[in-house]
Amino acid sequence: DGGITQSPKYLFRKEGQNVTLSCEQNLNHDAMYWYRQDPGQGLRLIYYSQIVNDFQKGDIAEGYSVSREKKESFPLTVTSAQKNPTAFYLCASSIGGGNEQFFGPGTRLTVL
Amino acid sequence: GESVGLHLPTLSVQEGDNSIINCAYSNSASDYFIWYKQESGKGPQFIIDIRSNMDKRQGQRVTVLLNKTVKHLSLQIAATQPGDSAVYFCAEPGNTGKLIFGQGTTLQVKP
Repeated sequence: DGGITQSPKYLFRKEGQNVTLSCEQNLNHDAMYWYRQDPGQGLRLIYYSQIVNDFQKGDIAEGYSVSREKKESFPLTVTSAQKNPTAFYLCASSIGGGNEQFFGPGTRLTVL
Repeated sequence: GESVGLHLPTLSVQEGDNSIINCAYSNSASDYFIWYKQESGKGPQFIIDIRSNMDKRQGQRVTVLLNKTVKHLSLQIAATQPGDSAVYFCAEPGNTGKLIFGQGTTLQVKP
């Protein structure tokens, strides 16, 4: 089955620790995205990548980092510099920018 | 700036009634619009899309209407069911090629 996966579904970390969220897609999509969603809120773009080995900051990139070494993978690291990291994180992919995005199931990160 | 907005944060309807969810957009050059459905604790799922050369598109129990004159988009759900309870987002491509999402409308279906 083609799709986009995120792991883990729930993640708990202590304050001050870096944590990496996984995102994998086998849709052969060039573009991948990371969003943050807070309770009752919309989607805010953290980082996006339109092609392998290239990525751009979104609207709320501070305290986050990404890499795009492989087409199918776009991991997100939430660093200790992120002031309020507890949120629901969504990864998405698309054929190209501006097209329909396919979303993963999300990772709920809780920082204790 | 670019923005996509929904008129109401919450819509409550009786099971079996029709639902109408609205969205206003600001970029008159937008040529493509998407509706997503997000159930609690899950990622958004594509429902239906529409190109700017159309003013109506129908899917299974859903219809999207586009009024380019007033830059308004709506999603109509016929015979609303409990499984339709979710948050609905509209989205359009921004100038930089990314999708811009609205804030979302929560649809509550009363039994």
